Amino acid sequence: AQRVTQPEKLLSVFKGAPVELKCNYSYSGSPELFWYVQYSRQRLQLLLRHISRESIKGFTADLNKGETSFHLKKPFAQEEDSAMYYCALSDQGNTPLVFGKGTRLSVIA
Amino acid sequence: NAGVTQTPKFRVLKTGQSMTLLCAQDMNHEYMYWYRQDPGMGLRLIHYSVGEGTTAKGEVPDGYNVSRLKKQNFLLGLESAAPSQTSVYFCASSSTGTRAFFGQGTRLTVV
Repeated sequence: AQRVTQPEKLLSVFKGAPVELKCNYSYSGSPELFWYVQYSRQRLQLLLRHISRESIKGFTADLNKGETSFHLKKPFAQEEDSAMYYCALSDQGNTPLVFGKGTRLSVIA
Repeated sequence: NAGVTQTPKFRVLKTGQSMTLLCAQDMNHEYMYWYRQDPGMGLRLIHYSVGEGTTAKGEVPDGYNVSRLKKQNFLLGLESAAPSQTSVYFCASSSTGTRAFFGQGTRLTVV
């Protein structure tokens, strides 16, 4: 069964500090991994997908198949990064997205 | 660019009442989903549809029914609301089952 684990419910960092939001998954095939973000009182929106290998708003994420991880990183946190972050997995579109429980990032000025 | 639109945005129900949440998408997506979001639980899939006229159960389907009579609409019904169904409900759609676009959410309180 597919499973996504985000071990931290809350992560607090100071502005300008590096950020790493952890995501581990369990899946036997070749998954597609995503990071979604939800700012206060807004809808979820896609932040990153691993196949794009892009940097959005300074965030990057690398799929590590050996460690089954897809951690989200940013070198210098900004206050506007404060939000709820969800890691999600799809098996190439054959089943709906499976989400982790989310990590709330709080960036302190 | 409407994207995914949910109706209503807020609702308060009494225990035992029924209601229908409407999700509409204008992107011609095949796949549509209903999730519920609860504190500490993340997003859990209630039901989903892979095309017009099809529906399937997700992780937490009990107490809910769905219908997909038209490709652009996906309805979520609560026949007899319970306080445990107090939640924020999100609808989403996608073209291939991967990247999903979400609605703005419906905040439902059952008293």
